[in-house]
Amino acid sequence: DGGITQSPKYLFRKEGQNVTLSCEQNLNHDAMYWYRQDPGQGLRLIYYSQIVNDFQKGDIAEGYSVSREKKESFPLTVTSAQKNPTAFYLCASSFSNPTGELFFGEGSRLTVL
Amino acid sequence: AQKITQTQPGMFVQEKEAVTLDCTYDTSDQSYGLFWYKQPSSGEMIFLIYQGSYDEQNATEGRYSLNFQKARKSANLVISASQLGDSAMYFCAMRSPFDSWGKLQFGAGTQVVVTP
Repeated sequence: DGGITQSPKYLFRKEGQNVTLSCEQNLNHDAMYWYRQDPGQGLRLIYYSQIVNDFQKGDIAEGYSVSREKKESFPLTVTSAQKNPTAFYLCASSFSNPTGELFFGEGSRLTVL
Repeated sequence: AQKITQTQPGMFVQEKEAVTLDCTYDTSDQSYGLFWYKQPSSGEMIFLIYQGSYDEQNATEGRYSLNFQKARKSANLVISASQLGDSAMYFCAMRSPFDSWGKLQFGAGTQVVVTP
């Protein structure tokens, strides 16, 4: 079945550690996105990528990094520079049509201890 | 800059009744897409319905319909015959080709609780 797979679903990290969240899609989508959601709030864009080897900062990119070496994969690294990393992270993808639907993964919940 | 406003933080609705979730948006673009997503407590984002800015008819998808009033920049979601499984957070969102190449801009969401 086609879809977006995020892993891990739950992740605990100590302060000062980097952590990488995985996002893989088999929908043949060109564009991929990372969003952050805090409790009771909407989603905010961290990074997005339209094509392989290219990506752009979203609204809250500080303390995060990404790579897009393959069309199917868009991993997000939460670095120690991110001051408040505890949140729910959602990966999404879409076709090139910039007014079309985004498909989302099931999310990764990161807790910093 | 675009902005999505959902003024209802939470709503209670009785089973089998209809409920309207408000959404207004602000954009200077002529071409854009409007979306509604449902987020149950498990966290995944479920796409419900889409309305293109040039679509003349209101979108419908099963029990979901979108009341699109372009001049008022309003895109309200109507859920008919509510079911207990409709209890979730609902987000209105918009994409435009001219804002960061179509990033999805979300409202703050409306929490819906369906009661028996």
